[in-house]
Amino acid sequence: SQQGEEDPQALSIQEGENATMNCSYKTSINNLQWYRQNSGRGLVHLILIRSNEREKHSGRLRVTLDTSKKSSSLLITASRAADTASYFCAPGDFNKFYFGSGTKLNVKP
Amino acid sequence: DGGITQSPKYLFRKEGQNVTLSCEQNLNHDAMYWYRQDPGQGLRLIYYSQIVNDFQKGDIAEGYSVSREKKESFPLTVTSAQKNPTAFYLCASRTKDRTNTGELFFGEGSRLTVL
Repeated sequence: SQQGEEDPQALSIQEGENATMNCSYKTSINNLQWYRQNSGRGLVHLILIRSNEREKHSGRLRVTLDTSKKSSSLLITASRAADTASYFCAPGDFNKFYFGSGTKLNVKP
Repeated sequence: DGGITQSPKYLFRKEGQNVTLSCEQNLNHDAMYWYRQDPGQGLRLIYYSQIVNDFQKGDIAEGYSVSREKKESFPLTVTSAQKNPTAFYLCASRTKDRTNTGELFFGEGSRLTVL
């Protein structure tokens, strides 16, 4: 399985600090996506990075992808209390996406 | 508004009963997915469908069944053969662009509790 595995499992920071989450996977991918889930809700797409890209930015989000190491990272800059949620990476092939257990981020006001 | 609608939001079932979870999308998406999420864990793929009248098993299909008779609809039946069905079920859909990528759009989930 190319299920993503996020690290750390939990992260607690102060508002205004940066939050970095990492993702590792096992096999070849077509793209890798990051999603956010508020407690008890559905997932919301944050950003997609294709296998031929190394870095991508979207607002306060920065994603990197290293296909040689089969890893990705998500950086949230200047975090806010509203960023408190679980974050999942989803390595994808052409048909399916495999989600890991997520990083639970707590941003303290 | 375009989106994915899952119903019911909460469902209670007695052991031995089958139950069907509804998933409807008006996004004109080709592909639809069912995931299961257990407390504090990630999502596991149950079934997915890339086109009407066709679907494939995911990693944990045993005890579940699906149908895809219409593009907009992808219902999931949790059968009595599923040993531990209490979980949060998420339906998702996506379009398939020319590079065959595309973000998943999720419903708000259905929480099934077996009594």
